[in-house]
Amino acid sequence: AAGVIQSPRHLIKEKRETATLKCYPIPRHDTVYWYQQGPGQDPQFLISFYEKMQSDKGSIPDRFSAQQFSDYHSELNMSSLELGDSALYFCASSLVGTSTDTQYFGPGTRLTVL
Amino acid sequence: QKEVEQNSGPLSVPEGAIASLNCTYSDRGSQSFFWYRQYSGKSPELIMSIYSNGDKEDGRFTAQLNKASQYVSLLIRDSQPSDSATYLCAVNIRPADKLIFGTGTRLQVFP
Repeated sequence: AAGVIQSPRHLIKEKRETATLKCYPIPRHDTVYWYQQGPGQDPQFLISFYEKMQSDKGSIPDRFSAQQFSDYHSELNMSSLELGDSALYFCASSLVGTSTDTQYFGPGTRLTVL
Repeated sequence: QKEVEQNSGPLSVPEGAIASLNCTYSDRGSQSFFWYRQYSGKSPELIMSIYSNGDKEDGRFTAQLNKASQYVSLLIRDSQPSDSATYLCAVNIRPADKLIFGTGTRLQVFP
C-alpha cells in the first residue's frame, strides 16, 4: 500500500538560510499534519490542513509557513533557520469522515542547521 | 503536567514475556487513542488504535482503554527483541485533530 512520501529525507542548511520540506499524503487522504521531533523529545504538532485550508495550528514559529496544494501535497517553508530548528520533521495524513481518524506518518525529513 | 503521561523507562523484559506499557491522559474530552512504535531515527509506526472502553486485540498486541480512569495501556505478548523500541501513546480530542503524544516508553527485550 502507498504510504506518505516526504522529501528530502535529509537536509543540511546554514543558519539564516531557508528550507522547504515536501509531503505527499496517502492517495485519497485529505488531511495533512506536520510534526517536529527534537532529539529525545516526543513529536510536537506544528500545523494541519484539511481540503487545502489550514485546520489547526500548534507551536509553529512565525518564521515557518505551510500550505496544502490542489493535489493535496503540502510544503513546509522554514526561513531564517536557527540551530534549534535541527530536528526530525514528520508529515502525517488521514482521511476525514471515515470511521477512524488514524494518522499515518511519513519517513520524515532530518534537518540539520549548522 | 503533560497532557499525556508515560513512564519513560527503560522497561526491560526477557524474550517471550509480556510487556505492559501504560499511559494516562488529562483531557476527559479525548476520543481517540493510539499506540505508535518508533525505532531510533525512524518515523512513528501505528500499532493500535482504540476508541471505546475495553480491550482490543490484534495479534500479539492488546490495547486497553478505561475512560473513567483516563488510562490506556498496551500489552505485548511473547515479546521479541525486534519489539525493542520506544512506544508512544497519542491522544486526540476530535476526529482529524492534532495528536498529543506522551514522551514515550523505551522497551528493551533481551534474549
